[in-house]
Amino acid sequence: GENVEQHPSTLSVQEGDSAVIKCTYSDSASNYFPWYKQELGKRPQLIIDIRSNVGEKKDQRIAVTLNKTAKHFSLHITETQPEDSAVYFCAASYGSARQLTFGSGTQLTVLP
Amino acid sequence: DVKVTQSSRYLVKRTGEKVFLECVQDMDHENMFWYRQDPGLGLRLIYFSYDVKMKEKGDIPEGYSVSREKKERFSLILESASTNQTSMYLCASCRGQATGELFFGEGSRLTVL
Repeated sequence: GENVEQHPSTLSVQEGDSAVIKCTYSDSASNYFPWYKQELGKRPQLIIDIRSNVGEKKDQRIAVTLNKTAKHFSLHITETQPEDSAVYFCAASYGSARQLTFGSGTQLTVLP
Repeated sequence: DVKVTQSSRYLVKRTGEKVFLECVQDMDHENMFWYRQDPGLGLRLIYFSYDVKMKEKGDIPEGYSVSREKKERFSLILESASTNQTSMYLCASCRGQATGELFFGEGSRLTVL
């Protein structure tokens, strides 16, 4: 089955700096890569996703890049703000949500 | 907005007790899921259901069972709770095959003493 590794497990950045979280996956058939954000005490919510037919996707301060050859994808957050502090999970799927495999999570802390 | 509601936010049970975790979604989603969330392990799939009375095992089904008698409701059952089942349990739903976007409940934190 799919295996998703996520690094780093914790990340602290100064407000206004950029943050990058990286994930690698094992199954070359995977074609859907979402990122979920979970604020303290809240439910995980989808913030951005990418499919294997594109290499990069942006949504305001958030971007995701995908390298299918190397089987890794990354989340980039620019101009970080305190409200970006949360746990971020990457995931990979080769079909539908039923086959979704999550990474272990990254605790991002944005320091004021 | 999709709403996924888990009936209990916090539960404390004793070893050997039977535990029911209930989840209800209001968007007529076909698929429903139960995940377990543990620090450093991410979200691990316990069971999922793609239709009423249909269920499939996820990655860690041992010690758990599920029930889906109605489309909007998916229950997780621990027949005999053990201390290693102390965890955060997250229910989720999504429509059809399609987007893959999961809508999560706020979680049920279970402590087994």
